[in-house]
Amino acid sequence: GAVVSQHPSRVICKSGTSVKIECRSLDFQATTMFWYRQFPKKSLMLMATSNEGSKATYEQGVEKDKFLINHASLTLSTLTVTSAHPEDSSFYICSARDSGIVTDTQYFGPGTRLTVL
Amino acid sequence: AQSVTQLGSHVSVSEGALVLLRCNYSSSVPPYLFWYVQYPNQGLQLLLKYTSAATLVKGINGFEAEFKKSETSFHLTKPSAHMSDAAEYFCAVSRAGTALIFGKGTTLSVSS
Repeated sequence: GAVVSQHPSRVICKSGTSVKIECRSLDFQATTMFWYRQFPKKSLMLMATSNEGSKATYEQGVEKDKFLINHASLTLSTLTVTSAHPEDSSFYICSARDSGIVTDTQYFGPGTRLTVL
Repeated sequence: AQSVTQLGSHVSVSEGALVLLRCNYSSSVPPYLFWYVQYPNQGLQLLLKYTSAATLVKGINGFEAEFKKSETSFHLTKPSAHMSDAAEYFCAVSRAGTALIFGKGTTLSVSS
């Protein structure tokens, strides 16, 4: 099946620094990708919808200036956590939508564990 | 707006027993429904999905779910639990092309 990768899988950073997380669709084109956040023992919360070539759409309560999303190509979306704080520590998961007529299926990446010290 | 409710945050079964994880949905349009499994510190693995075809959906690892429109339910079942089934299970709903809306998850424990 289709594969979505995320890089890095784990990152530890100091408070105040910025961290970039990449989400790639490896064998299909994804005009739309989604970014989720998961707190420990909690469900996944949709943060934003990333559309190739246009601005991301953020969910209510998600700071767009803090969580910068760029979808510059049909296979790559990036999430940059700017000026990270310990409360940003979380598990970030992306999904990519294969918009082929038959499938219209979303595939999830393996997630990125962010720890802010 | 769409939403899902997973009844029971924690379900415990014995190995070999029936697994039943409950999910009810709310949607103003015909929904797509999904079940995912997540093992500790890992991403999501799709178990099965309903996209308006057959109402009884068979997935991987012996799981299946039945879409019941009259009950707005999409419960997940497996006839015989294995120890390896212990994990977190998420029900999700979406419309075509949109993000998934997840339930709060159900932790399945399997005892020997």
